Amino acid sequence: GNSVTQMEGPVTLSEEAFLTINCTYTATGYPSLFWYVQYPGEGLQLLLKATKADDKGSNKGFEATYRKETTSFHLEKGSVQVSDSAVYFCALTDQGGSEKLVFGKGTKLTVNP
Amino acid sequence: SAVISQKPSRDICQRGTSLTIQCQVDSQVTMMFWYRQQPGQSLTLIATANQGSEATYESGFVIDKFPISRPNLTFSTLTVSNMSPEDSSIYLCSVEPGGARETQYFGPGTRLLVL
Repeated sequence: GNSVTQMEGPVTLSEEAFLTINCTYTATGYPSLFWYVQYPGEGLQLLLKATKADDKGSNKGFEATYRKETTSFHLEKGSVQVSDSAVYFCALTDQGGSEKLVFGKGTKLTVNP
Repeated sequence: SAVISQKPSRDICQRGTSLTIQCQVDSQVTMMFWYRQQPGQSLTLIATANQGSEATYESGFVIDKFPISRPNLTFSTLTVSNMSPEDSSIYLCSVEPGGARETQYFGPGTRLLVL
């Protein structure tokens, strides 16, 4: 079945550091790919998405490119802020029509001032 | 997008009891989903609830334990029945307002602790 693998956390960075959170997937067909973010004590929010190969999703300074050749969707940000501290989830939807979201295990990011 | 509210936001329950969680959306949507997030874990889909049909449950989840109602296009409930401490989780509903292959939007979640 479809699956998502994220880099193990937690990740601790200093403010203004460069962030990469790796995400790879296994899927049949052509899934849509997502990054969701969960701030402390809050629900999930969509951060960005990409629906086809080579698409780049971007939002709030975060970017991720849908790489079909490497089955990856790594999340990057050039300069993190304390307010970016959260748990980040990579996810995909099945092309098969169920619209089920399959999530990675999440990566907790802490940004220190 | 869609604005989603859930009630209650949190609760502490005794084992053996049941809790019904409500999910309200500010617009009509066909597809609604219920997820569980166990402590420190990722999200797992419990079931898909479409208006006018029975909910479709994922492997490992059964209707007797997690009955779902979907009376109209803006509302759904999930009941966690005969609770045990293992049911302590965050329960989230989500909707897909645009239809197939569109983005899912999540409610704020219901934090449940079973003693």
